[in-house]
Amino acid sequence: GAVVSQHPSWVICKSGTSVKIECRSLDFQATTMFWYRQFPKQSLMLMATSNEGSKATYEQGVEKDKFLINHASLTLSTLTVTSAHPEDSSFYICSVLGRTQGGTDTQYFGPGTRLTVL
Amino acid sequence: KQEVTQIPAALSVPEGENLVLNCSFTDSAIYNLQWFRQDPGKGLTSLLLIQSSQREQTSGRLNASLDKSSGRSTLYIAASQPGDSATYLCAASTGANSKLTFGKGITLSVRP
Repeated sequence: GAVVSQHPSWVICKSGTSVKIECRSLDFQATTMFWYRQFPKQSLMLMATSNEGSKATYEQGVEKDKFLINHASLTLSTLTVTSAHPEDSSFYICSVLGRTQGGTDTQYFGPGTRLTVL
Repeated sequence: KQEVTQIPAALSVPEGENLVLNCSFTDSAIYNLQWFRQDPGKGLTSLLLIQSSQREQTSGRLNASLDKSSGRSTLYIAASQPGDSATYLCAASTGANSKLTFGKGITLSVRP
């Protein structure tokens, strides 16, 4: 399966600052990537679908002006949390859409980024 | 809208026990169903993927089943070990866009 990395693995920032999180597909060209957010003891919630070369598709209730997504290449998507506030503190996980050896579309997940906003 | 439920939220068993983790979903028109493992503070590791046309998949001590008509999937873990302690999430994919809807997970603790 695809190998996915995220950077940074954790970040602490002050309220009002912006934070950029990178998601890289290391061995696979990913046309589609996904961004999720996970609060403690909660399930992963899909935030947006990132498509290379086009605008991201955001899920209902996710502010596109606050969570900026850029998918400029087939191996990199970035999520920028603008003017972060403490309620944005969460675990952010990306995934890339790939295909198993059997030909099934599946998502391969990154290790996640822990964001803490003070 | 697809909803995925996992009950109970937590489970503690002694080492060596065989156990079953349950997952239910509301929309039976799924593309596939996956089980993941998540260790604290870490990302997701895919365990098993069951296509909508399949009834079960096996990998080592793990066996996952799928019953679309009843909206259920189970993950069977044989001869549990302390190293199996983690949170297990199931996720349903409904459609070719491959979006996943996750349950909240079951936190498993296997006592030595």
